[in-house]
Amino acid sequence: GDSVTQMEGPVTLSEEAFLTINCTYTATGYPSLFWYVQYPGEGLQLLLKATKADDKGSNKGFEATYRKETTSFHLEKGSVQVSDSAVYFCALSPKTGNQFYFGTGTSLTVIP
Amino acid sequence: DADVTQTPRNRITKTGKRIMLECSQTKGHDRMYWYRQDPGLGLRLIYYSFDVKDINKGEISDGYSVSRQAQAKFSLSLESAIPNQTALYFCATSVASGGTYNEQFFGPGTRLTVL
Repeated sequence: GDSVTQMEGPVTLSEEAFLTINCTYTATGYPSLFWYVQYPGEGLQLLLKATKADDKGSNKGFEATYRKETTSFHLEKGSVQVSDSAVYFCALSPKTGNQFYFGTGTSLTVIP
Repeated sequence: DADVTQTPRNRITKTGKRIMLECSQTKGHDRMYWYRQDPGLGLRLIYYSFDVKDINKGEISDGYSVSRQAQAKFSLSLESAIPNQTALYFCATSVASGGTYNEQFFGPGTRLTVL
């Protein structure tokens, strides 16, 4: 069945460091892919998305490219800030079917 | 005002009690969902509804029931709460576009503790 596997955390980085959070997926066909962010005490917010192969989603300095050949959608940011500390979820929406699949989440802490 | 609201935000209850969590949305979306979040397990789907007359079980529906009272309201009930239902519960909405899923919009969550 469809699923998402993402890098386990927690991840701790110094401010201005480079961030990569790995996400791979299993799906039939061509799903849509998402990254959600959950700040402490809040619900999930959409960070970025890509709906077809080779699309690049970007927002707030974060980027992720839909790679069909490697079934991946890794999240990257060139220079993290303390305010980026949160839990990040990779998610998949199949082109057919009725569910939305989330990874287990990766906790990021950025220290000054 | 928030587009997706959940009440209560926090609740402590005892084993065996009945409890209802409520979700309301002003986004005009047809689709609504209930998830629970547990550390290390991510989000797991409990129930979802594509319109007022459509209710579907998700991955972990046992011990839960739902009611879609109107397009804007979707309630989750625990008929007889047990301690392993202690979790963070999220309501979400979405609108389908061209037969595929669009993004989901989440409420702020309800933290439920069952003693």
